[in-house]
Amino acid sequence: GAGVSQSPRYKVAKRGQDVALRCDPISGHVSLFWYQQALGQGPEFLTYFQNEAQLDKSGLPSDRFFAERPEGSVSTLKIQRTQQEDSAVYLCASSPVGQTQYNEQFFGPGTRLTVL
Amino acid sequence: AQSVAQPEDQVNVAEGNPLTVKCTYSVSGNPYLFWYVQYPNRGLQFLLKYITGDNLVKGSYGFEAEFNKSQTSFHLKKPSALVSDSALYFCAVRPPGSGYALNFGKGTSLLVTP
Repeated sequence: GAGVSQSPRYKVAKRGQDVALRCDPISGHVSLFWYQQALGQGPEFLTYFQNEAQLDKSGLPSDRFFAERPEGSVSTLKIQRTQQEDSAVYLCASSPVGQTQYNEQFFGPGTRLTVL
Repeated sequence: AQSVAQPEDQVNVAEGNPLTVKCTYSVSGNPYLFWYVQYPNRGLQFLLKYITGDNLVKGSYGFEAEFNKSQTSFHLKKPSALVSDSALYFCAVRPPGSGYALNFGKGTSLLVTP
């Protein structure tokens, strides 16, 4: 069985461009998370979906960040008008159940975004 | 405020020796605690977790961790290190009733030398 996949693996954007990052969770996983990992830091939570519902978006750093999961499977993280401080690795994770706090999350390989 | 701390940026250990990677947390109540490992160009892999019960938790690849409530610590241990254990290790906490996100430490780079 495939794990969590993310595409593209690497993305270079010029400042001001819009980018879209895709996450394919493990099939059947209810919960989906996005994290941002800056260089030399641990991942920081961005947003959480349970099926298609976005239950927590408290970690999104600005209104330039938008995430969706319209059919409760694939998710897209969109960043508008990218800025240099958006450069980071964006990690997606999924979990088989919802609304439990002790289940581990399964992470994808991440998308490394570099904004020039 | 940071709710989990990994005080060591790097840990060096010789192959065959025991290893410890430290983690302390600063949340109230009974948190859920996790350890993940990250290899270069790969996603985080789950190692083990503490929910409740026995303070010594056993996980993947021979790793274990000891939960100490009085010291608010959750150190990762392995009796005999392998060169292949060299990687970046992250401790994470989910405070009770806090929602669904994991709060990660900065990470500790483990280097096991032959």
